[in-house]
Amino acid sequence: AQSVTQPDIHITVSEGASLELRCNYSYGATPYLFWYVQSPGQGLQLLLKYFSGDTLVQGIKGFEAEFKRSQSSFNLRKPSVHWSDAAEYFCAVGANAGGTSYGKLTFGQGTILTVHP
Amino acid sequence: SQTIHQWPATLVQPVGSPLSLECTVEGTSNPNLYWYRQAAGRGLQLLFYSVGIGQISSEVPQNLSASRPQDRQFILSSKKLLLSDSGFYLCAWRRRLGETQYFGPGTRLLVL
Repeated sequence: AQSVTQPDIHITVSEGASLELRCNYSYGATPYLFWYVQSPGQGLQLLLKYFSGDTLVQGIKGFEAEFKRSQSSFNLRKPSVHWSDAAEYFCAVGANAGGTSYGKLTFGQGTILTVHP
Repeated sequence: SQTIHQWPATLVQPVGSPLSLECTVEGTSNPNLYWYRQAAGRGLQLLFYSVGIGQISSEVPQNLSASRPQDRQFILSSKKLLLSDSGFYLCAWRRRLGETQYFGPGTRLLVL
């Protein structure tokens, strides 16, 4: 069964500092990996996704993530955090659309990001 | 472009009352549809998914049910709400052969 672990429940950084949110997954084949962001009381917005190819993927809002198969990781990074980045971030793993999983995603527990001015 | 709607946005219901949450998708046909529940500090739990009209798969046994009466409409229901049904309910859609799920704005349910 697939699983996702986000080891950090809560991270606090200063505005302008760099950020790295950790995500480790367990999956039997090549996974599809996603990062979503959720502001309080809102739905989830897709930040970026990895399916294949270049292991460093760029997303919206200046975020990037790197797929490392040997470490089963897909960490999210941003070189300089803005106060508006304060939110909860979810990593998710899924299977390809042609399989029998019907595109179901497994989510991590989320990491809450607080940004100090 | 595609959009996904959920209503109501917020709902306060007494224990034992019925529930009906609605999700509709515009701008696409024959999507896969999903219901998730997000309890405080517990991430997202997939409740139901549907690959077509009338086709519902349940992921966890619970007090809730789902229906898909039309191609782009997904309904979450309960006959009698429990306190433990409180949470934030999110609907999502995905193209039939796509990879990415897109989420609606959610419904906050408080059962008292």
